[in-house]
Amino acid sequence: AQSVTQLGSHVSVSEGALVLLRCNYSSSVPPYLFWYVQYPNQGLQLLLKYTTGATLVKGINGFEAEFKKSETSFHLTKPSAHMSDAAEYFCAVSRMDSSYKLIFGSGTRLLVRP
Amino acid sequence: SQTIHQWPATLVQPVGSPLSLECTVEGTSNPNLYWYRQAAGRGLQLLFYSVGIGQISSEVPQNLSASRPQDRQFILSSKKLLLSDSGFYLCAWSVHGGLEAQHFGDGTRLSIL
Repeated sequence: AQSVTQLGSHVSVSEGALVLLRCNYSSSVPPYLFWYVQYPNQGLQLLLKYTTGATLVKGINGFEAEFKKSETSFHLTKPSAHMSDAAEYFCAVSRMDSSYKLIFGSGTRLLVRP
Repeated sequence: SQTIHQWPATLVQPVGSPLSLECTVEGTSNPNLYWYRQAAGRGLQLLFYSVGIGQISSEVPQNLSASRPQDRQFILSSKKLLLSDSGFYLCAWSVHGGLEAQHFGDGTRLSIL
């Protein structure tokens, strides 16, 4: 069965510092992977996705993630945090069957200190 | 381009009252549709998904039901709300037949008194 683990329910960084949000998955077949961001009282917005091809994926708002099959990881990074990055971030993996469902991690709340 | 609309944005209902939340998608045909609930401080729980008109799959037994009367319309209902039904409800769509990303609406904040 597929699953997603996000390490750290809360991550705090200073403005301008590197952002690193961790995501590990388990899957018996090559997965499709996604990162979403959720601002308070809003829906989830797709940041980036990995399906096939290049393992370093660039997304919106300066975020990127690298698919590392050997480590079963898909960590999200941004070189320099901005106050507007404060939000909750969800990693997800696509069920590789006909159910078309996504399996979401439990989320990581990013706090950005001035 | 595709857009997804959910309404209402917020709703306060008494225990035992009925519920109807509506979601519509524009700019695409035959999408997969999903209802999620997000309880306070919790992750996302998939409630229902649909791959076509009249085709509803339920993920967890509960006090809610879903219907898809039209291709791009997805409705979440309840006959009698419970306190435990409070939460943030999100509708999402994805391309039919694919394993692509899901795209979310802005959500409905439901409070049960």
